[in-house]
Amino acid sequence: EPEVTQTPSHQVTQMGQEVILRCVPISNHLYFYWYRQILGQKVEFLVSFYNNEISEKSEIFDDQFSVERPDGSNFTLKIRSTKLEDSAMYFCASSRDRNYGYTFGSGTRLTVV
Amino acid sequence: ILNVEQSPQSLHVQEGDSTNFTCSFPSSNFYALHWYRWETAKSPEALFVMTLNGDEKKKGRISATLNTKEGYSYLYIKGSQPEDSATYLCALGASGGGADGLTFGKGTHLIIQP
Repeated sequence: EPEVTQTPSHQVTQMGQEVILRCVPISNHLYFYWYRQILGQKVEFLVSFYNNEISEKSEIFDDQFSVERPDGSNFTLKIRSTKLEDSAMYFCASSRDRNYGYTFGSGTRLTVV
Repeated sequence: ILNVEQSPQSLHVQEGDSTNFTCSFPSSNFYALHWYRWETAKSPEALFVMTLNGDEKKKGRISATLNTKEGYSYLYIKGSQPEDSATYLCALGASGGGADGLTFGKGTHLIIQP
């Protein structure tokens, strides 16, 4: 069964450093998403991406965050200057369209120290 | 800000028993209601996406119903098995064009006791 793959599985970074989280969505999916879950809290929407541009972003997705689909297969989330409160599990997901469930990746656990 | 509530937060069920739990959401701007199963150390797995009031979907021993007028959905598991132990998440898609993000509930943590 096709999978969404995410790398790395764990990342520890110093506050203020830039991190790039990588995702390879399912090849025939058209919609791509980033979500995160801070420990003990709900899964939160960050951003959706369709037709090579951001479709929607949440209040969390401020100027520190950016997404790219640089080569037609990878989908990356960049956090420019990490803060302690960015520590969370970050999930990438993709779907064929809005009427289909998402396929989630296994997540990247980001720890900012 | 949309608020999606799930109850109960956790549930212990004896193997073989049936169970159900609830997802409540604001009924305005409804587009779709998703259910996911999330096992420990794995990624969330899609169970159902429902869009129409009165929808009922079934996958093996698991089924779900949807009431968009009153803003709730039930997930039912018949004859629980140990492999059903997981956190069950519901998520609301609000109306609007494009790939709108989902608003998740906190989940119901289900433990099946042999």
